[in-house]
Amino acid sequence: NAGVMQNPRHLVRRRGQEARLRCSPMKGHSHVYWYRQLPEEGLKFMVYLQKENIIDESGMPKERFSAEFPKEGPSILRIQQVVRGDSAAYFCASSPSLEYGYTFGSGTRLTVV
Amino acid sequence: GIQVEQSPPDLILQEGANSTLRCNFSDSVNNLQWFHQNPWGQLINLFYIPSGTKQNGRLSATTVATERYSLLYISSSQTTDSGVYFCAVESPSRNNNDMRFGAGTRLTVKP
Repeated sequence: NAGVMQNPRHLVRRRGQEARLRCSPMKGHSHVYWYRQLPEEGLKFMVYLQKENIIDESGMPKERFSAEFPKEGPSILRIQQVVRGDSAAYFCASSPSLEYGYTFGSGTRLTVV
Repeated sequence: GIQVEQSPPDLILQEGANSTLRCNFSDSVNNLQWFHQNPWGQLINLFYIPSGTKQNGRLSATTVATERYSLLYISSSQTTDSGVYFCAVESPSRNNNDMRFGAGTRLTVKP
């Protein structure tokens, strides 16, 4: 089992560009979670998805951020018109069900220049 | 929402020493996990421990759910143990299935 795969590992975008972060959960995991870690801070919840459904997006900024988890393919976290404050590490986690713990990917480090 | 407090915020040890990291949480939880974020930023799951005690090599963890705290023990610490240790909890709130992270304990093990 390859674990939770995130790509790219590092992403550099200029202000105003779009960033797309991908997360492939572990095989058999249908619950996906996205977290953001700002420098020198802990992880903050952004969004919880199950296949084709957004369950909880209470941690997502109201504008420019969106997430999806299609029936086929990885979960995508999309940030439009990036700003310097979006620079952070974005972690994806997956779980087979609510009764099990989370497994995290290695993260995508987004740098906005 | 549920509050998660970790202590101490920073810890410096000499190689071979033992340490205890603490996680307090403000409400009942469905799930509690300890993670180690290594100096390269990789987040490693150490324990899934909503209650009871577990051991894995030099690491062990105990969660006393009724008293709302968890402890992570590191024995005979090694330089590779350096990094940030996060406690994360999941509350049984109907509409909230996310993990809330503490601010972490930054551990530095010196040779």
